Amino acid sequence: DIQMTQSPSTLSASIGDRVTITCRASQTISNWLAWYQQKPGKAPKLLIYKASVLQGGVPSRFSGSGFGTEFTLTIDSLQADDFATYYCQQYDNYWTFGQGTKVEVK
Amino acid sequence: EVQLVQSGAGVKKPGESLRISCEASGYTYTKNWIAWVRQMPGKGLEWMGIVFPRDSDVRYNPSFQGQVTISVDKSINTAYIQWSSLKASDTAMYYCARLSDGMDVWGQGTMVIVSS
Repeated sequence: DIQMTQSPSTLSASIGDRVTITCRASQTISNWLAWYQQKPGKAPKLLIYKASVLQGGVPSRFSGSGFGTEFTLTIDSLQADDFATYYCQQYDNYWTFGQGTKVEVK
Repeated sequence: EVQLVQSGAGVKKPGESLRISCEASGYTYTKNWIAWVRQMPGKGLEWMGIVFPRDSDVRYNPSFQGQVTISVDKSINTAYIQWSSLKASDTAMYYCARLSDGMDVWGQGTMVIVSS
């Protein structure tokens, strides 16, 4: 099984900050990596797929990078609507989610 | 508009059976796999299994094999997940999602509470 490890688990930030979340795969997954945003009581929302491709309708302040085993999600200039939990997910071999990163108000 | 609409929340007793549904609209249903994802209270996301509407092919996460049954009725664009004997540990939010690159469309979720 491919394991996905996100860091940090919790991130405290202020509006306007640049935020970076890291996701590491236990084995290489090429670029078969997606990022999701989830708000309390809501379904996850796809932000990025193939490690760096922005899903339609997602603001350009979100970006993704990485290949192989190391990946990052960056939010440039954090907005109020971005406080949420973020999950990475590999889909190279079935699907595995990271444990999540909660972005909270500093 | 592409959407997945799930059946409503349920409160059940241990040992009871349950089937929840996920109805799709707005796209060609037989082109994409549908996944079921569990989220236990305060926890992360786990994929449970997937079904391909065109031929009803089903694949299970080994962790859920034998615990649930996934099926589909392509004539009504609806996927299902069912339990024959619920346990308290099945208490969770369950989501269906369309597989594309990642899971690009999600249902609103169905909360299942199992309590005596």
